[in-house]
Amino acid sequence: GAVVSQHPSWVICKSGTSVKIECRSLDFQATTMFWYRQFPKQSLMLMATSNEGSKATYEQGVEKDKFLINHASLTLSTLTVTSAHPEDSSFYICSAREGVETQYFGPGTRLLVL
Amino acid sequence: RKEVEQDPGPFNVPEGATVAFNCTYSNSASQSFFWYRQDCRKEPKLLMSVYSSGNEDGRFTAQLNRASQYISLLIRDSKLSDSATYLCVVNMGAVDSGGSNYKLTFGKGTLLTVNP
Repeated sequence: GAVVSQHPSWVICKSGTSVKIECRSLDFQATTMFWYRQFPKQSLMLMATSNEGSKATYEQGVEKDKFLINHASLTLSTLTVTSAHPEDSSFYICSAREGVETQYFGPGTRLLVL
Repeated sequence: RKEVEQDPGPFNVPEGATVAFNCTYSNSASQSFFWYRQDCRKEPKLLMSVYSSGNEDGRFTAQLNRASQYISLLIRDSKLSDSATYLCVVNMGAVDSGGSNYKLTFGKGTLLTVNP
């Protein structure tokens, strides 16, 4: 079946550091990728929708200048958390859409900002 | 009203029990519906889609009532391996030819623990 990978799987960094997370669809081309964030005991919250070759669409309340998304190819999207702060510590999950409705999730990246 | 609302749980049941999860959604124009399971500290994985006519996959049965904006999941003969958080997920965007409004909205999830 389709596989989506994320790298790194976990990150510990100092406050003020920028962190880049990669999301790859390994055996299919994904025109659309999604970035979610999940805080402990909370639901996944969509942060942004990333379309290949165009600007990402951000959900309300998500700062586009803080969470930079690049979707340069049909198999790769990146999320950069700029100047990370402790409140950005969370579980970041990407997903890639295949076809009309099928969506596959990556294994997630745990970010801890000290 | 929350966009997707689920039983808060948690549910603790013995092996072999039947468990029912309930979910309601706020957007009557929602197009498609899913149940995902999420294991601790892992990504969500699709359990099954939910169709208007209801559908079954082994021990799992999903039902949809569009008039009531209600979705359910029934697990029969529960196993230890069924222990997980069950997420009700709704596509609140229109699935048009380009699917440009496709957007999954997740419920908070209901934690199930199946005990030996």
